[in-house]
Amino acid sequence: EADIYQTPRYLVIGTGKKITLECSQTMGHDKMYWYQQDPGMELHLIHYSYGVNSTEKGDLSSESTVSRIRTEHFPLTLESARPSHTSQYLCASSEPTQPRETQYFGPGTRLLVL
Amino acid sequence: GIQVEQSPPDLILQEGANSTLRCNFSDSVNNLQWFHQNPWGQLINLFYIPSGTKQNGRLSATTVATERYSLLYISSSQTTDSGVYFCAVEQRSNYQLIWGAGTKLIIKP
Repeated sequence: EADIYQTPRYLVIGTGKKITLECSQTMGHDKMYWYQQDPGMELHLIHYSYGVNSTEKGDLSSESTVSRIRTEHFPLTLESARPSHTSQYLCASSEPTQPRETQYFGPGTRLLVL
Repeated sequence: GIQVEQSPPDLILQEGANSTLRCNFSDSVNNLQWFHQNPWGQLINLFYIPSGTKQNGRLSATTVATERYSLLYISSSQTTDSGVYFCAVEQRSNYQLIWGAGTKLIIKP
């Protein structure tokens, strides 16, 4: 079983607020990812990290930022939330294995910006 | 970039029925994975299958890489199989996963 956690699970917040979505994993995985998913739709990669002090932007343009100071922790921050940020945010981690890596997902954070 | 198309988009079946879900992709890939997202949003990896056939209980998957498609078979469906099934392929250029839009499966008791 994968041990990857996200908090909060649900968040309702007003426009203009700063928010941080937490993601942590206890598997020692180097690679971590943030995806954005609208209900019933495909996942879009917004950020990823290959390890400590490594962060990259994904395919989907996002106004969020991430940091990777510790291997187990990969928080995502929105400096000023807007209604267009309403979505589900999924965190994942992976470790190269033989065969190639499998991504393990957290339970997600459902964000509603009013 | 790579295009990933899944079909059908929606599928409603009676408990006990069998089903086949399809994933087409537009270019060569490093690997292909099938995921199940349950009604509460949790994503679980089902198969890592860049080519060939794998089976896990009532589920099996086949990928024909040369023809750029993969099939997921679900036999003797149960209500707990409901949810959305995603196919994701790893791009050769940057190793990122590109996701299909999913097949929403509803199994009625």
